[in-house]
Amino acid sequence: QITLKESGPTLVQPTQTLTLTCAFSGFSLRTTGAGVSWFRQSPGKAPEWLALIYWDDDKRYKSSLKTRLTITKDTSKDQVLLTMTDMDPVDSATYYCAHRRQGFGELFDQWGQGTLVTVSS
Amino acid sequence: DILVTQSPSSLSASLGDRVTITCQASQDTSHFLNWFQQKPGKAPKLLISDASKLEMGVPSRFIGSGSGTHFTLTISSLQPEDIATYYCQQYDTLPITFGQGTRLEI
Repeated sequence: QITLKESGPTLVQPTQTLTLTCAFSGFSLRTTGAGVSWFRQSPGKAPEWLALIYWDDDKRYKSSLKTRLTITKDTSKDQVLLTMTDMDPVDSATYYCAHRRQGFGELFDQWGQGTLVTVSS
Repeated sequence: DILVTQSPSSLSASLGDRVTITCQASQDTSHFLNWFQQKPGKAPKLLISDASKLEMGVPSRFIGSGSGTHFTLTISSLQPEDIATYYCQQYDTLPITFGQGTRLEI
């Protein structure tokens, strides 16, 4: 059974750096084809894809946020981290990580429960 | 980026009704389109992948169809537990992009 769980600060001050952790089980990022993405969703809006890391450490980012995002993995801990610099109130959202179904392209089928991040002074 | 236009944005229907939601992609996405269901305070749940493949455990009243740029999600007989917001999502090309969502009410 694949599970993912996001964690991190619930409140971040403007201009600060946000670091989120996705702890997962039921799969390994050592496995060829594996990957994890981060999404976020502001209240009343559609989800937005942010970043993706593959088993081979290849990474992809949403182009408009590329300068602010870093995605990394710790395969020994089964974790994926996302850092976002220079946080702004518009970055307030629920952040989700999701599992990439191997062999199906960029299909992310299992999502974590999400973690709510508020950016405010 | 591929723009995905979903309609309607909200829909009111009665129990037992047949409900249809549509998504139009700004370019050919082949069959690389998913449908998600989201209930308040919960993560999106994948209902249909690859335009028409029902995920395990999803009731057969959910039907996905289409290819290329035009896709539909049909609920054949609306049930109370289907109250949610539905999103289509293309995954043919990064960045993955979503439709604006359809809020379904009874």
